[in-house]
Amino acid sequence: AQSVTQLDSQVPVFEEAPVELRCNYSSSVSVYLFWYVQYPNQGLQLLLKYLSGSTLVESINGFEAEFNKSQTSFHLRKPSVHISDTAEYFCAVRNILTGGGNKLTFGTGTQLKVEL
Amino acid sequence: EAGVTQFPSHSVIEKGQTVTLRCDPISGHDNLYWYRRVMGKEIKFLLHFVKESKQDESGMPNNRFLAERTGGTYSTLKVQPAELEDSGVYFCASSQETLSGNTIYFGEGSWLTVV
Repeated sequence: AQSVTQLDSQVPVFEEAPVELRCNYSSSVSVYLFWYVQYPNQGLQLLLKYLSGSTLVESINGFEAEFNKSQTSFHLRKPSVHISDTAEYFCAVRNILTGGGNKLTFGTGTQLKVEL
Repeated sequence: EAGVTQFPSHSVIEKGQTVTLRCDPISGHDNLYWYRRVMGKEIKFLLHFVKESKQDESGMPNNRFLAERTGGTYSTLKVQPAELEDSGVYFCASSQETLSGNTIYFGEGSWLTVV
């Protein structure tokens, strides 16, 4: 069984400030890790994912996340946020084993609100 | 290329009524998933189709929920009879292959309110 914890339900931040959205997971097997984003009135979009290799992964819009196996974390960071980053962010994990099921296990989401 | 489309986007029904949600996956995607988010809680897996077969339906909450994917194309999720606790957002998603690393693409969701 797997679980994902996003401790911060809301994170208010001023524009151009740095932000970190925290994600911790628990799993008895190896997992892939994902961050999804839901902008207002839109569907879920994949922001970035960690499958293997470098533990630091980046998105095209300046977000990055680092997989830390010892701390079972996959925190999302951005050095300078923009108003357009206002959205809800979901951390998710997925069993790495082929045939082990493809369902994603999500956290409860973190609402990022960027203010002027 | 069209993404995952869901219909209706919003639905308000009375307790005891029936609602059918439809999902059209991305063309060529054999894998189709249904997820649900109840207000304030996490997005939870409901079930997974590979073509027309149910691969995993472990997340279906009870027998009031019926999912079908006849012909392996679009899917429907019927709730009958609807209860108040069924209110939430129902997401459909699809992916090209069953490999765990493949990206799962989500639709915009169908908002269901049971009153």
